[in-house]
Amino acid sequence: AQSVAQPEDQVNVAEGNPLTVKCTYSVSGNPYLFWYVQYPNRGLQFLLKYITGDNLVKGSYGFEAEFNKSQTSFHLKKPSALVSDSALYFCAVRDIWGYGQNFVFGPGTRLSVLP
Amino acid sequence: SAVISQKPSRDICQRGTSLTIQCQVDSQVTMMFWYRQQPGQSLTLIATANQGSEATYESGFVIDKFPISRPNLTFSTLTVSNMSPEDSSIYLCSAVGTGDWEQFFGPGTRLTVL
Repeated sequence: AQSVAQPEDQVNVAEGNPLTVKCTYSVSGNPYLFWYVQYPNRGLQFLLKYITGDNLVKGSYGFEAEFNKSQTSFHLKKPSALVSDSALYFCAVRDIWGYGQNFVFGPGTRLSVLP
Repeated sequence: SAVISQKPSRDICQRGTSLTIQCQVDSQVTMMFWYRQQPGQSLTLIATANQGSEATYESGFVIDKFPISRPNLTFSTLTVSNMSPEDSSIYLCSAVGTGDWEQFFGPGTRLTVL
């Protein structure tokens, strides 16, 4: 069965500093990996995805994520955090061989960027 | 990418009543889903809305409580029946577009049951 872990409930970072939000996954086949962001009182917004190809993928708002197959990780990163990046971040995985309701979301990590 | 709208955006309902949430996508999509989310928490999948047939429900969710319709490739409804305060939550619609791998989400419906 697929699973996603986000080991940190909360990440605090100072504005201008680099940020990392961690995600590890478990799937039986090749994974499709996603990051979503949720601002207060809003739906989830898609940030980026890894399907195949380069391990470093770039997404919206200056975010990027690195796929590491050996460590089964897909950490979200940004070189310089903004206060406006403060939100709830979800990692998700989809098994490439699956069909239908085969998306699994992590528990979420709340990012706070301090001015 | 698909743009998804939901109606209503929020509602306050009395115990024992039912509420139907509508989800409209601006393009034809292959899959549509309904999720429940407590504020600040992760998502719980309620069901996959199947076009022209009965929805596929996850463990813990039943059709009598959460009837779902999907009459075409761009529209779905979720009804929360015989509501109790425990049904107070955010209900999210999502879809996977043709040729997409990611889900796109609607803005959610915030339901409060008194």
